[in-house]
Amino acid sequence: ETGVTQSPTHLIKTRGQQVTLRCSSQSGHNTVSWYQQALGQGPQFIFQYYREEENGRGNFPPRFSGLQFPNYSSELNVNALELDDSALYLCASRPGQGRETQYFGPGTRLLVL
Amino acid sequence: QKEVEQDPGPLSVPEGAIVSLNCTYSNSAFQYFMWYRQYSRKGPELLMYTYSSGNKEDGRFTAQVDKSSKYISLFIRDSQPSDSATYLCAMSATSNFGNEKLTFGTGTRLTIIP
Repeated sequence: ETGVTQSPTHLIKTRGQQVTLRCSSQSGHNTVSWYQQALGQGPQFIFQYYREEENGRGNFPPRFSGLQFPNYSSELNVNALELDDSALYLCASRPGQGRETQYFGPGTRLLVL
Repeated sequence: QKEVEQDPGPLSVPEGAIVSLNCTYSNSAFQYFMWYRQYSRKGPELLMYTYSSGNKEDGRFTAQVDKSSKYISLFIRDSQPSDSATYLCAMSATSNFGNEKLTFGTGTRLTIIP
Protein backbone atom coordinates (compact mmCIF):
# COMPACT_ATOMS: atom_id res chain seq x y z
CA GLU A 1 0.00 0.00 0.00
CA THR A 2 1.22 3.49 -0.86
CA GLY A 3 -0.62 5.36 1.89
CA VAL A 4 -2.41 7.46 -0.73
CA THR A 5 -6.19 7.15 -0.75
CA GLN A 6 -8.76 8.56 -3.16
CA SER A 7 -12.51 8.98 -3.00
CA PRO A 8 -14.87 8.10 -4.38
CA THR A 9 -13.73 4.96 -6.20
CA HIS A 10 -16.35 5.34 -8.92
CA LEU A 11 -18.55 8.20 -10.04
CA ILE A 12 -21.15 8.73 -12.76
CA LYS A 13 -22.02 12.26 -13.91
CA THR A 14 -23.83 13.79 -16.84
CA ARG A 15 -22.43 16.22 -19.34
CA GLY A 16 -22.30 19.81 -18.06
CA GLN A 17 -22.17 18.86 -14.39
CA GLN A 18 -19.34 19.59 -11.98
CA VAL A 19 -17.35 17.03 -10.00
CA THR A 20 -14.93 17.07 -7.06
CA LEU A 21 -12.48 14.25 -6.54
CA ARG A 22 -10.48 13.86 -3.34
CA CYS A 23 -7.06 12.58 -2.43
CA SER A 24 -5.42 12.00 0.94
CA SER A 25 -1.62 11.83 0.92
CA GLN A 26 0.86 10.47 3.41
CA SER A 27 1.78 12.76 6.28
CA GLY A 28 4.74 14.91 5.25
CA HIS A 29 4.07 14.66 1.52
CA ASN A 30 3.99 18.30 0.47
CA THR A 31 3.73 17.71 -3.27
CA VAL A 32 0.70 16.24 -4.98
CA SER A 33 0.15 15.73 -8.69
CA TRP A 34 -3.02 14.77 -10.55
CA TYR A 35 -3.13 12.67 -13.69
CA GLN A 36 -5.90 11.67 -16.09
CA GLN A 37 -5.73 8.16 -17.54
CA ALA A 38 -8.12 7.44 -20.40
CA LEU A 39 -8.93 3.83 -21.19
CA GLY A 40 -5.99 2.12 -22.89
CA GLN A 41 -3.73 5.14 -22.44
CA GLY A 42 -0.97 6.20 -20.11
CA PRO A 43 -1.63 8.82 -17.43
CA GLN A 44 -1.54 12.46 -18.59
CA PHE A 45 -0.28 15.16 -16.21
CA ILE A 46 -2.97 17.64 -15.19
CA PHE A 47 -1.22 19.78 -12.55
CA GLN A 48 0.96 19.76 -9.46
CA TYR A 49 0.59 21.46 -6.08
CA TYR A 50 3.32 22.19 -3.57
CA ARG A 51 2.40 23.58 -0.16
CA GLU A 52 -1.05 24.62 -1.35
CA GLU A 53 0.13 26.45 -4.47
CA GLU A 54 -0.18 25.23 -8.05
CA ASN A 55 3.34 25.11 -9.49
CA GLY A 56 3.02 23.14 -12.71
CA ARG A 57 0.27 22.46 -15.23
CA GLY A 58 -0.20 20.22 -18.24
CA ASN A 59 -2.32 20.81 -21.34
CA PHE A 60 -5.67 20.90 -19.59
CA PRO A 61 -8.21 23.75 -19.78
CA PRO A 62 -8.99 26.03 -16.82
CA ARG A 63 -12.16 24.10 -16.03
CA PHE A 64 -9.78 21.63 -14.37
CA SER A 65 -8.78 23.18 -11.05
CA GLY A 66 -7.44 22.00 -7.76
CA LEU A 67 -6.87 22.70 -4.12
CA GLN A 68 -4.35 21.40 -1.63
CA PHE A 69 -4.92 21.63 2.13
CA PRO A 70 -2.48 21.77 5.07
CA ASN A 71 -3.65 18.34 6.27
CA TYR A 72 -2.12 16.64 3.17
CA SER A 73 -5.46 16.27 1.42
CA SER A 74 -6.25 17.69 -1.98
CA GLU A 75 -9.08 18.05 -4.47
CA LEU A 76 -9.48 18.00 -8.22
CA ASN A 77 -12.47 19.95 -9.51
CA VAL A 78 -13.78 19.65 -13.03
CA ASN A 79 -16.49 22.04 -14.27
CA ALA A 80 -18.75 21.71 -17.31
CA LEU A 81 -18.03 18.00 -17.71
CA GLU A 82 -17.59 16.66 -21.23
CA LEU A 83 -17.90 13.08 -22.44
CA ASP A 84 -14.12 12.95 -23.04
CA ASP A 85 -13.53 13.61 -19.34
CA SER A 86 -14.47 9.98 -18.70
CA ALA A 87 -11.27 8.46 -17.33
CA LEU A 88 -9.39 7.20 -14.29
CA TYR A 89 -8.12 10.14 -12.23
CA LEU A 90 -4.97 9.46 -10.25
CA CYS A 91 -3.27 11.49 -7.59
CA ALA A 92 0.37 10.98 -6.70
CA SER A 93 2.25 12.41 -3.74
CA ARG A 94 5.85 12.75 -2.64
CA PRO A 95 7.67 14.47 0.23
CA GLY A 96 9.30 17.38 -1.61
CA GLN A 97 9.88 18.75 -5.07
CA GLY A 98 12.76 16.63 -6.14
CA ARG A 99 13.05 13.33 -7.89
CA GLU A 100 11.77 11.16 -5.09
CA THR A 101 9.38 8.35 -5.82
CA GLN A 102 5.84 9.44 -6.55
CA TYR A 103 3.28 7.31 -4.74
CA PHE A 104 0.05 6.83 -6.66
CA GLY A 105 -3.38 6.30 -5.21
CA PRO A 106 -5.82 3.74 -6.63
CA GLY A 107 -7.67 6.36 -8.64
CA THR A 108 -11.26 7.50 -9.11
CA ARG A 109 -13.03 6.19 -12.19
CA LEU A 110 -15.29 8.89 -13.63
CA LEU A 111 -17.92 8.19 -16.25
CA VAL A 112 -19.61 11.11 -17.97
CA LEU A 113 -22.87 10.33 -19.76
CA GLN B 1 4.20 12.36 -32.83
CA LYS B 2 3.97 11.43 -29.18
CA GLU B 3 6.94 12.23 -26.95
CA VAL B 4 6.96 8.64 -25.67
CA GLU B 5 6.05 5.62 -27.79
CA GLN B 6 5.26 2.23 -26.29
CA ASP B 7 3.88 -0.86 -27.97
CA PRO B 8 0.48 -1.42 -26.33
CA GLY B 9 0.56 -5.17 -26.90
CA PRO B 10 -1.12 -7.25 -25.66
CA LEU B 11 1.83 -9.51 -24.99
CA SER B 12 1.37 -13.11 -23.81
CA VAL B 13 4.28 -15.32 -22.78
CA PRO B 14 4.57 -18.66 -20.97
CA GLU B 15 5.57 -18.78 -17.32
CA GLY B 16 9.33 -18.73 -16.85
CA ALA B 17 10.05 -16.86 -20.07
CA ILE B 18 12.10 -13.68 -20.30
CA VAL B 19 9.95 -10.66 -21.09
CA SER B 20 11.25 -7.60 -22.91
CA LEU B 21 9.29 -4.34 -22.79
CA ASN B 22 10.43 -1.24 -24.65
CA CYS B 23 9.83 2.47 -25.09
CA THR B 24 11.27 5.07 -27.39
CA TYR B 25 11.21 8.79 -26.83
CA SER B 26 11.87 11.93 -28.82
CA ASN B 27 12.51 14.60 -26.16
CA SER B 28 16.25 14.91 -25.47
CA ALA B 29 15.44 16.72 -22.23
CA PHE B 30 14.27 13.49 -20.58
CA GLN B 31 16.86 12.51 -17.99
CA TYR B 32 14.97 10.31 -15.55
CA PHE B 33 13.36 7.05 -16.56
CA MET B 34 10.90 4.89 -14.69
CA TRP B 35 8.89 1.74 -15.13
CA TYR B 36 5.56 1.38 -13.39
CA ARG B 37 3.37 -1.70 -13.02
CA GLN B 38 -0.37 -1.23 -12.96
CA TYR B 39 -2.73 -4.00 -12.00
CA SER B 40 -6.34 -3.83 -13.11
CA ARG B 41 -8.28 -1.19 -11.19
CA LYS B 42 -5.19 -0.07 -9.25
CA GLY B 43 -2.85 2.90 -9.40
CA PRO B 44 0.62 2.61 -10.95
CA GLU B 45 3.34 1.15 -8.71
CA LEU B 46 6.97 2.13 -9.24
CA LEU B 47 9.20 -0.80 -10.25
CA MET B 48 12.43 0.76 -11.45
CA TYR B 49 13.97 4.25 -11.49
CA THR B 50 17.09 5.10 -13.47
CA TYR B 51 18.97 8.26 -14.31
CA SER B 52 21.94 7.42 -16.46
CA SER B 53 22.47 5.24 -19.49
CA GLY B 54 23.25 1.62 -18.71
CA ASN B 55 21.63 -1.19 -16.79
CA LYS B 56 20.06 -1.35 -13.37
CA GLU B 57 19.05 -4.63 -11.82
CA ASP B 58 16.59 -5.35 -9.02
CA GLY B 59 15.77 -8.99 -8.44
CA ARG B 60 14.13 -10.40 -11.55
CA PHE B 61 13.86 -6.95 -13.14
CA THR B 62 16.50 -5.17 -15.24
CA ALA B 63 16.05 -1.67 -16.60
CA GLN B 64 18.18 -0.56 -19.52
CA VAL B 65 18.59 2.98 -20.81
CA ASP B 66 20.28 4.01 -24.06
CA LYS B 67 20.13 7.80 -24.26
CA SER B 68 22.00 7.93 -27.56
CA SER B 69 19.22 5.92 -29.19
CA LYS B 70 16.46 7.36 -27.00
CA TYR B 71 15.41 3.84 -26.11
CA ILE B 72 14.63 2.20 -22.78
CA SER B 73 13.82 -1.39 -21.90
CA LEU B 74 12.57 -3.45 -19.00
CA PHE B 75 13.48 -7.12 -18.80
CA ILE B 76 11.65 -9.56 -16.54
CA ARG B 77 13.40 -12.88 -15.90
CA ASP B 78 11.65 -16.05 -14.78
CA SER B 79 8.27 -14.46 -15.39
CA GLN B 80 5.44 -15.41 -13.03
CA PRO B 81 1.65 -15.27 -13.44
CA SER B 82 1.67 -12.53 -10.78
CA ASP B 83 3.64 -10.37 -13.26
CA SER B 84 0.52 -10.14 -15.42
CA ALA B 85 -0.28 -6.43 -15.49
CA THR B 86 0.09 -3.32 -17.61
CA TYR B 87 3.62 -1.93 -17.66
CA LEU B 88 4.05 1.79 -18.16
CA CYS B 89 7.28 3.57 -18.96
CA ALA B 90 7.54 7.12 -17.68
CA MET B 91 10.07 9.91 -18.11
CA SER B 92 10.91 13.22 -16.53
CA ALA B 93 13.08 16.08 -17.71
CA THR B 94 15.71 17.97 -15.78
CA SER B 95 13.83 21.17 -15.45
CA ASN B 96 13.00 24.12 -13.32
CA PHE B 97 11.03 23.98 -10.14
CA GLY B 98 7.43 22.96 -10.68
CA ASN B 99 7.87 20.99 -13.85
CA GLU B 100 8.74 17.53 -12.61
CA LYS B 101 5.79 16.02 -14.42
CA LEU B 102 5.96 12.45 -15.61
CA THR B 103 5.33 11.73 -19.28
CA PHE B 104 4.02 8.20 -19.70
CA GLY B 105 3.87 5.73 -22.54
CA THR B 106 0.54 4.13 -23.36
CA GLY B 107 1.42 0.98 -21.41
CA THR B 108 1.96 -2.63 -22.51
CA ARG B 109 -0.53 -5.19 -21.31
CA LEU B 110 1.35 -8.35 -20.31
CA THR B 111 -0.13 -11.78 -19.57
CA ILE B 112 1.99 -14.63 -18.20
CA ILE B 113 0.43 -17.97 -19.07
CA PRO B 114 0.87 -20.70 -16.39
